[in-house]
Amino acid sequence: DQQVKQNSPSLSVQEGRISILNCDYTNSMFDYFLWYKKYPAEGPTFLISISSIKDKNEDGRFTVFLNKSAKHLSLHIVPSQPGDSAVYFCAANTGGFKTIFGAGTRLFVKA
Amino acid sequence: DAGVIQSPRHEVTEMGQEVTLRCKLISGHNSLFWYRQTMMRGLELLIYFNNNVPIDDSGMPEDRFSAKMPNASFSTLKIQPSEPRDSAVYFCASSLGGQGSTEAFFGQGTRLTVV
Repeated sequence: DQQVKQNSPSLSVQEGRISILNCDYTNSMFDYFLWYKKYPAEGPTFLISISSIKDKNEDGRFTVFLNKSAKHLSLHIVPSQPGDSAVYFCAANTGGFKTIFGAGTRLFVKA
Repeated sequence: DAGVIQSPRHEVTEMGQEVTLRCKLISGHNSLFWYRQTMMRGLELLIYFNNNVPIDDSGMPEDRFSAKMPNASFSTLKIQPSEPRDSAVYFCASSLGGQGSTEAFFGQGTRLTVV
């Protein structure tokens, strides 16, 4: 049972444009939602998170939006840069002990 | 702190052999996670520990897989006997679990190939 789903395996965006990565979840008990970025041959690194009591969190070029009624969140990257090309994982947990990850979306930012 | 350290980085072994993956946590972290990454399933949580105690091992695929945490800073994941379908990248991660948006810090992974 996949509790966290990223239905787009890949996304290609032109440099300078907006990248929108989507994520759906099924467990209404999740407290926190996180995005991780992963480069080849490296472990995932934390990017940004949002609490379930908020609907938006912004950090520089990265903004995460949460729609609890739809059990959907998205990561916006504006403007996209070639260095943003990586695999992005959506994740969720219930207070930190058990973090469930989605399958990932590979982002290509074309120069 | 050097971060989460995994060894070896790469492991190639023959089917039927025992494989042991190792992980050193970030000092002070109290939660430890083992994940497996495959093309088909992405990042799967295999098992996690809190304060050295296994909390949930429901993600461990079979009895061939076992994990231990003999002390607060070190963990092993063992596969015995190994099979070709175990080939994947295995990640260890640690965190200060239980409060806030508890991000996990990942090691660089061990790429396991079973031939």
